[in-house]
Amino acid sequence: QEQLQQSGPGLVKPLQTLSLTCTVSGGSINSNEYYWTWIRQHPEKGLEWIGYIYYSGSTYYNPSLRSRVAMSLDRSKSQFSLKLASLTAADTAVYFCARAGDHSYFGVDVWGQGTTVTVSS
Amino acid sequence: DIQMTQSPSSLSASVGDRVTITCRASQSITNYLNWYQQKPGKAPNLLIYAASSLLGGVPSRFSAFGSGTDFTLTIDSLQPDDFATYYCQQTYSPPWTFGLGTRVEI
Repeated sequence: QEQLQQSGPGLVKPLQTLSLTCTVSGGSINSNEYYWTWIRQHPEKGLEWIGYIYYSGSTYYNPSLRSRVAMSLDRSKSQFSLKLASLTAADTAVYFCARAGDHSYFGVDVWGQGTTVTVSS
Repeated sequence: DIQMTQSPSSLSASVGDRVTITCRASQSITNYLNWYQQKPGKAPNLLIYAASSLLGGVPSRFSAFGSGTDFTLTIDSLQPDDFATYYCQQTYSPPWTFGLGTRVEI
């Protein structure tokens, strides 16, 4: 069964860049069925979809974050990554990596454990 | 972006009750509508995809219906494990937006 394991810092300073990585185990990051996705959740708030990277490397970013987001894929390590630049306190949130698939109408059926990211000096 | 409006934002119910949550899209999304359950401190769990298809392992007391712009999630005979927050999500057109959630409380 596929699992996603997140890694990255929990505390980042304002104006710095957040870097998070998600390692895929038990499945294939090269499958053309899946969209490797990042979602965040602000404290006591709802879910915000950040974007996805497809196995081919193509990406789609939420327009609200597009100017600050970059996603990448490392097939040799079965990892995908998120970079979010120019952080402010408003980026404080729990960040989830996730798998969305054709089989589930792009619903997210596998989630990472979540990383609580606090932006503070 | 497609806006997803859920109602109610919260509700109080008792074990054994039948509960219905509504989700409305700002434009037609055909049946590209998913439902999630989230408990505090945990990642969401996908319950239903394609508006009405239950994911394997989801209890049959959960059901969902809808197409176009109007969708519902129903929980028959609410169980203690069902007290959580429920989100709808459209995946018809990126960005794949979520509703603001419905908190189901005792």
